[in-house]
Amino acid sequence: QSALTQPASVSGSPGQSITISCTGTSSDVGGYNYVSWYQQHPGKAPKLMIYDVSNRPSGVSNRFSGSKSGNTASLTISGLQAEDEADYYCSSYTSSSTPYVVFGGGTKLTVL
Amino acid sequence: EVQLVQSGAEVKKPGESLRISCKGSGYSFTSYWISWVRQMPGKGLEWMGRIDPSDSYTNYSPSFQGHVTISADKSISTAYLQWSSLKASDTAMYYCARSSSTGSGWFDPWGQGTLVTVSS
Repeated sequence: QSALTQPASVSGSPGQSITISCTGTSSDVGGYNYVSWYQQHPGKAPKLMIYDVSNRPSGVSNRFSGSKSGNTASLTISGLQAEDEADYYCSSYTSSSTPYVVFGGGTKLTVL
Repeated sequence: EVQLVQSGAEVKKPGESLRISCKGSGYSFTSYWISWVRQMPGKGLEWMGRIDPSDSYTNYSPSFQGHVTISADKSISTAYLQWSSLKASDTAMYYCARSSSTGSGWFDPWGQGTLVTVSS
């Protein structure tokens, strides 16, 4: 069982917006502004999309945004495109000794 | 360009040893940590452990402590993940990733992955 809880799947039509949630505890998501989000296409390595809750690395589309409320972080993708179809993972720093980073179980995004 | 390049796929038998590598380029190798992440077939990401290449300090997830060893050679900007006795359950894709030395936990970039297959 993963330390952070994500929905197994979400879907949306092109042009729509979707939100993926990531729920943890006060020892990880709720306690620190160190939540990251990764996109992984089949057969490819993960790619950093959001770091420190809401920051986008250079080169990542501004259609991707992150937020946090309490022990739940969220990734929102607006203006869905076919290329957004992928698995998405959240991660968070944790103060629960080691590991120092915990991942969510992943969410499969399907663009209908 | 910042990048991490991993060694190629491996096929091993149970009980054999193995070391895979991850070479960094395009940045100061000793200014960031390197983490290793496992992804079993069809499953999610699991953080295994990390190393600070500047002094080779390591820490491991309890799930992997004692089963793998992480090391680094800063003179050639390379980190390693090794097993002394592989099991069939070690079959997985293994990624290395650069992470902030401040410990905030982001990973960027990732290596392309090394597929390890353990089968008799």
